[in-house]
Amino acid sequence: ILNVEQSPQSLHVQEGDSTNFTCSFPSSNFYALHWYRWETAKSPEALFVMTLNGDEKKKGRISATLNTKEGYSYLYIKGSQPEDSATYLCASFRGGKLIFGQGTELSVKP
Amino acid sequence: DSGVTQTPKHLITATGQRVTLRCSPRSGDLSVYWYQQSLDQGLQFLIQYYNGEERAKGNILERFSAQQFPDLHSELNLSSLELGDSALYFCASSVEGRSNNEQFFGPGTRLTVL
Repeated sequence: ILNVEQSPQSLHVQEGDSTNFTCSFPSSNFYALHWYRWETAKSPEALFVMTLNGDEKKKGRISATLNTKEGYSYLYIKGSQPEDSATYLCASFRGGKLIFGQGTELSVKP
Repeated sequence: DSGVTQTPKHLITATGQRVTLRCSPRSGDLSVYWYQQSLDQGLQFLIQYYNGEERAKGNILERFSAQQFPDLHSELNLSSLELGDSALYFCASSVEGRSNNEQFFGPGTRLTVL
């Protein structure tokens, strides 16, 4: 994988559902993997910065895991709420810069 | 509020013109980044400054230039503007610019080139 890829592109869930998205990134010369949350009409907000293989991070109902050997990270949201509706971006730090994926757009219906 | 400020919020100009976007980083942050978000593209890294020095460069066009001043604010200059330069331009800052530093994004400047 040369680029950062995210799947799915969009996701529609009901309030209370748990969900997860995938970020795939080049596994060679890994430095860090960033997750951001981007609400409409706002600016991206950092969720997690992950650096170690096997890292697991948690913030409230949101958690993330990292596998640097195979080049993927999962973001989980437990019990989705309408306020979780946003685009979730991951970015791989390489060559001195963050390379962003296209994002997963999450819509949570009440 | 991330603590990063950007001005102006909106800018409408004509092709061939030159504009300057301004960014003030969070208090204490030494590194500033510029990103471009076009309609059909994800967030694209343009350039990074650390304590006044250019540190990393992305696919920034030659018509674009940036600098970081002694007070750490940064300006992105876009010249000979084309329709395709219409985009949302974000500035972000971090403490040192290391790979594991969180980046804090400003509210963005929406540039429309007519």
